[in-house]
Amino acid sequence: TQLLEQSPQFLSIQEGENLTVYCNSSSVFSSLQWYRQEPGEGPVLLVTVVTGGEVKKLKRLTFQFGDARKDSSLHITAAQPGDTGLYLCAGRVASGTYKYIFGTGTRLKVLA
Amino acid sequence: GAGVSQSPSNKVTEKGKDVELRCDPISGHTALYWYRQSLGQGLEFLIYFQGNSAPDKSGLPSDRFSAERTGGSVSTLTIQRTQQEDSAVYLCASSLASNYGYTFGSGTRLTVV
Repeated sequence: TQLLEQSPQFLSIQEGENLTVYCNSSSVFSSLQWYRQEPGEGPVLLVTVVTGGEVKKLKRLTFQFGDARKDSSLHITAAQPGDTGLYLCAGRVASGTYKYIFGTGTRLKVLA
Repeated sequence: GAGVSQSPSNKVTEKGKDVELRCDPISGHTALYWYRQSLGQGLEFLIYFQGNSAPDKSGLPSDRFSAERTGGSVSTLTIQRTQQEDSAVYLCASSLASNYGYTFGSGTRLTVV
């Protein structure tokens, strides 16, 4: 069974600080996605990365896919209270079905 | 519709009763997925539809769980003889094709008492 581990599980920081969330697996993924989920809502797709070593930027968010396509990171610069939520990574296995396997999640709280 | 619609948004049922959860995907989205999320946790895959077929139902926890999709659109997830461990948020997602990103509904919160 493929497993995506995220770290840290919980993170509470002050507004303006920087942070990095990690997503690691022993499996190779053909693509990896990051989602943010707020209470009472479904996850919302932030980005999809498909190439090993790929870096994508979305305003203050920077996403990186590992060279071996087994891990990924999400870096947030100058965090704001609106960044608060549950961050989930999801990987699609390199062969087989088209389903995404979701990580364990990182719960971020940004204090004003 | 503009997004993925799930109903009901909340469901409380007695142990042993059957429940049906409905998902209305975005029009034109051929791929549809059901996931389950326990309190504050990540998502557990249940089943994937491509059109009306389910090429991957490997995540269904037991034979009490079944799902169908009709007309390449609406999907229903049925849980028979519900148990307390079935309590969770059931999320449905659709995508334009199987290799595109998902759009999730807001989920159905199921509580079995």
